[in-house]
Amino acid sequence: QVTLKESGPGILQPSQTLSLTCTFSGFSLSTYGMGVGWIRQPSGKGLEWLANIWWDDDKYYNPSLKNRLTISKDTSNNQAFLKITNVDTADTATYYCARIGIRVPYFDYWGQGVMVTVSS
Amino acid sequence: DIMMTQSPLSVAVTPGESASISCRSSKSLLHSNGITYLSWYLQRPEKSPQLLIYQISNLASGVSDRFSGSGSGTDFTLKISKVETEDVGIYYCVQFLEVPYTFGAGTKLELK
Repeated sequence: QVTLKESGPGILQPSQTLSLTCTFSGFSLSTYGMGVGWIRQPSGKGLEWLANIWWDDDKYYNPSLKNRLTISKDTSNNQAFLKITNVDTADTATYYCARIGIRVPYFDYWGQGVMVTVSS
Repeated sequence: DIMMTQSPLSVAVTPGESASISCRSSKSLLHSNGITYLSWYLQRPEKSPQLLIYQISNLASGVSDRFSGSGSGTDFTLKISKVETEDVGIYYCVQFLEVPYTFGAGTKLELK
């Protein structure tokens, strides 16, 4: 059974760095072809893809935020991470992680999401 | 970036009737490997998006066969037959052909 769960700080101030963790089970990021992505959704708005990390540590970022994003993984503990630097109120959103794969080239399992508020 | 345009942005359907949602991409989503990287998701109220259909017309595991997808190239359609209460939510198309993956704006389905 595949599950993913996001965790984060809840609230942070403008200019700080947002650190998010995705803890998953039912698959491994050391398995060929597996990947995890991050997607966010401001309240009442649409979905925006942020970044992917793959089993071979290949990484892809949304160019609209590329300079602010860093994605990483801890294969031993079945976790993926996303950092967003220099946040502002526009980064207030629910952040999701989801599984993706080379043979499954779409997000097939999603976490429940974690709400993050940027406020002074 | 590939732009995904959905229509309509909202639709109200009588339970038991059908609904169709259109999605158009600014670039063909057909890869040279023959696969078209277009998927559909449903986000029920206060829930995470749920995969409905992948690669135009393949039903995800556990998804009702009242959902069907069709199309090719740049034009795609999601059809929901015999709409039920549990179908209420926002439907998104998304392209996985290239990064950045991009989502349509969403179509809100409500019941009459």
